[in-house]
Amino acid sequence: EAQVTQNPRYLITVTGKKLTVTCSQNMNHEYMSWYRQDPGLGLRQIYYSMNVEVTDKGDVPEGYKVSRKEKRNFPLILESPSPNQTSLYFCASRWTGGLAGANVLTFGAGSRLTVL
Amino acid sequence: AQSVTQPDIHITVSEGASLELRCNYSYGATPYLFWYVQSPGQGLQLLLKYFSGDTLVQGIKGFEAEFKRSQSSFNLRKPSVHWSDAAEYFCAVGVGTGGFKTIFGAGTRLFVKA
Repeated sequence: EAQVTQNPRYLITVTGKKLTVTCSQNMNHEYMSWYRQDPGLGLRQIYYSMNVEVTDKGDVPEGYKVSRKEKRNFPLILESPSPNQTSLYFCASRWTGGLAGANVLTFGAGSRLTVL
Repeated sequence: AQSVTQPDIHITVSEGASLELRCNYSYGATPYLFWYVQSPGQGLQLLLKYFSGDTLVQGIKGFEAEFKRSQSSFNLRKPSVHWSDAAEYFCAVGVGTGGFKTIFGAGTRLFVKA
């Protein structure tokens, strides 16, 4: 089944304790992206990657890091989490062929992170 | 600046009634337009999209949307709502070269009453 898999789905951590949220897709998509969802704000893009070893900042990159060493994986790293990073996080991927802009994002099920 | 506005934070409709969710965008060119639905505890799923051609597009689950360039709108409609349609709905636009950047609206939560 074509899917984007995120782990963990739920996590409670404390301020300053480094954590990584993994994201893996099995569709051979070049494009991957991380979003955070907050009430009243919709989804905001954190980082995205157009292909292996190519990453770029989205709208809210502060406090986050990413890497894209393999095509299928795009982990989100919080080096020193803070309470304002408490949010619901989504990873998504998309094929970039054809009429790229019309290609649909495939989303993971989400990771709910709480930072105390 | 590029933006997507969904004016209604939440909407309540009776089962069997019609539904219209509003979406307005701000972008200098014709964007790629999407509606996604998020059921509780789930990721986002595409309902429909528009990128060219007929301005009335059909999607899954009986939804349709109409692109109106003059109003910069892409409103979502359904003639008869089912209880299972209760969810959060996001309008999104693909902008920039190749439409690679996707901007989401804040979402509209739909409640369905029996």
